[in-house]
Amino acid sequence: DAGVIQSPRHEVTEMGQEVTLRCKPISGHDYLFWYRQTMMRGLELLIYFNNNVPIDDSGMPEDRFSAKMPNASFSTLKIQPSEPRDSAVYFCASSWILTDMNTEAFFGQGTRLTVV
Amino acid sequence: AQSVAQPEDQVNVAEGNPLTVKCTYSVSGNPYLFWYVQYPNRGLQFLLKYITGDNLVKGSYGFEAEFNKSQTSFHLKKPSALVSDSALYFCASSRGTGFQKLVFGTGTRLLVSP
Repeated sequence: DAGVIQSPRHEVTEMGQEVTLRCKPISGHDYLFWYRQTMMRGLELLIYFNNNVPIDDSGMPEDRFSAKMPNASFSTLKIQPSEPRDSAVYFCASSWILTDMNTEAFFGQGTRLTVV
Repeated sequence: AQSVAQPEDQVNVAEGNPLTVKCTYSVSGNPYLFWYVQYPNRGLQFLLKYITGDNLVKGSYGFEAEFNKSQTSFHLKKPSALVSDSALYFCASSRGTGFQKLVFGTGTRLLVSP
């Protein structure tokens, strides 16, 4: 498997525009996570899905953020409208069902978003 | 609230010397603790975890971590550093039930000089 695949790798957009980040998890994984990394706040969990169903979106900062997982092999994180403070690296991660024996999440390479 | 703290923004060590990257935790109940590493322009990679059992946990690339309940610490160690170990290291804990929600520390940049 090629691992977790995110696109685009880099995105530069103007304030107010809609931004869509994409993620293809590892085949067979039950869980998908979206994280945001900034210098000020470090790594934050935004939302995670189990079997395509959103389980916890308490980390989503505002209504401008939304995430979907229409099928087991694809997820999107959308920001509309985007603001400069949304500039960050967004990571997608996936894993099998997590137990005390299996606790590893696999991360994609991230999307670096810059909102100007 | 459960959290982890990494008190050092950066650690510098010469190649061949032992390294330690510090992490302390504040977790109610039995802590589940993890170390991840991030190389430039890459996602995070799992290094090791502590769930229960032996306090000394061995992981990938020769790294190990020692769980110390009395000091609420989970420091990452390696006996002999390599230049290729230079990266950003994150300590993390899971909160609530299960392992799904990882809370990360702010990260420590490790620089290993030749």
